Amino acid sequence: DAGVIQSPRHEVTEMGQEVTLRCKPISGHDYLFWYRQTMMRGLELLIYFNNNVPIDDSGMPEDRFSAKMPNASFSTLKIQPSEPRDSAVYFCASSWAPFSGKNTGELFFGEGSRLTVL
Amino acid sequence: AQKITQTQPGMFVQEKEAVTLDCTYDTSDPSYGLFWYKQPSSGEMIFLIYQGSYDQQNATEGRYSLNFQKARKSANLVISASQLGDSAMYFCAMREITKNDMRFGAGTRLTVKP
Repeated sequence: DAGVIQSPRHEVTEMGQEVTLRCKPISGHDYLFWYRQTMMRGLELLIYFNNNVPIDDSGMPEDRFSAKMPNASFSTLKIQPSEPRDSAVYFCASSWAPFSGKNTGELFFGEGSRLTVL
Repeated sequence: AQKITQTQPGMFVQEKEAVTLDCTYDTSDPSYGLFWYKQPSSGEMIFLIYQGSYDQQNATEGRYSLNFQKARKSANLVISASQLGDSAMYFCAMREITKNDMRFGAGTRLTVKP
């Protein structure tokens, strides 16, 4: 079975440019998460969706960041305009609903998108 | 407020010895899950072990076990018979029933010495 698929794996862009990161969750999963990882701030939860609906976006750092999930098999994280401090690894993860039956609620992570903003 | 605390930024262990990585958490939810993930230098996030708040027994998965002390709100990861391949970052995480998000601790970098 395919895991969580993220693209691009690496992105180098210049300050001010628009960046779009993409994610295809595991089929059948109810939840989708976007995290940002940096050395200074660790793994930060940016936003998560349940059945394509954003539940909590309080972790989105600024209005420059936006995320959408138009359907159950696709999500995007957009940064416009990008800044050097946005340089990080961005992870997408998906899961089934936790606390239901034998499901542990573990997150399945994509390989991450490494963003460098010059 | 920080919900997951990992107080050990770095740990060293000799190959073949056991090591304990600490994790404490804070929640008022009656139902929650605790998770440990491994992140090797290649960057992927690997799920290791899960403990449910109502589980009576400590979770075990091969060389990994979780020392769950509910009253103390701690969920320490024990790795037995350490191997060189265990060198990595280890993250503790919690998922609460009321929010269903997953929050991670700052991580512990484990180095296994030959």
